[in-house]
Amino acid sequence: GESVGLHLPTLSVQEGDNSIINCAYSNSASDYFIWYKQESGKGPQFIIDIRSNMDKRQGQRVTVLLNKTVKHLSLQIAATQPGDSAVYFCAERGTGNQFYFGTGTSLTVIP
Amino acid sequence: DAGVIQSPRHEVTEMGQEVTLRCKPISGHDYLFWYRQTMMRGLELLIYFNNNVPIDDSGMPEDRFSAKMPNASFSTLKIQPSEPRDSAVYFCASSSSRTSAPDTQYFGPGTRLTVL
Repeated sequence: GESVGLHLPTLSVQEGDNSIINCAYSNSASDYFIWYKQESGKGPQFIIDIRSNMDKRQGQRVTVLLNKTVKHLSLQIAATQPGDSAVYFCAERGTGNQFYFGTGTSLTVIP
Repeated sequence: DAGVIQSPRHEVTEMGQEVTLRCKPISGHDYLFWYRQTMMRGLELLIYFNNNVPIDDSGMPEDRFSAKMPNASFSTLKIQPSEPRDSAVYFCASSSSRTSAPDTQYFGPGTRLTVL
C-alpha cells in the first residue's frame, strides 16, 4: 500500500529564520499532494497543495517543492513566526479520493 | 460560515460500552471523511462518503466500527463494543467537488475518545 513518511519528527528554529520540513512518499502514481498544519487541540488545516505536473508552488510565506524523481516533498516557511509552531503533515492522494497522511513533524519556533 | 462541527469534543467510556461520534459537515459539501489519529499511526482514513453514500470503508478497522450518513448534514461513527485500543482522536472532514479547490478537506476539531 501507499505510505508517506517524514524525515524528521521534530524541528526547532529561531524566530525569523526559514523552516524546511521534508516528506517522502512511496507511490509514484500519486498526482496530488497537500500540506496541513495542526495546532494543539485542533484539526488539521490546509496550507498549500501541489499537483504532480508542477515542481514548485508558492503561497504566502510558504513554498512547496515536489521532486518526483526521488519522490520527495518539502514545505518551506519563510521568516518563521511563533504562530507557525505546530505539527505539519504532508498527504498524498491515492486511489479514488483517499489521502494518506504522514505521521507529522513538530515545528517549534524559538522566540 | 460554521466549519465542520463534531460532538462530543471529549468522550470517556468503559470497555464494552457503545460510543457514538457525531459530525455535521460544512453546508453544501458533498464529501465527508472520518479519520482516526494516534501517535503511533498518525492520521488514518476510516471511511468516506459522497452524496451520503459510503464510497470506501476499507479503513474501518473491524466490524465493531460502523458509520452512517442519513442526510447531507449529519454523520455518525459508532463503535460497539469499544476497546481500550480504540482510544484516539477522531476527526471528521468535508469537502466540495463544486469549488475551485475540490480536494481541500476541512477538518472538524475532533473528538478525543478514551476507553478505559
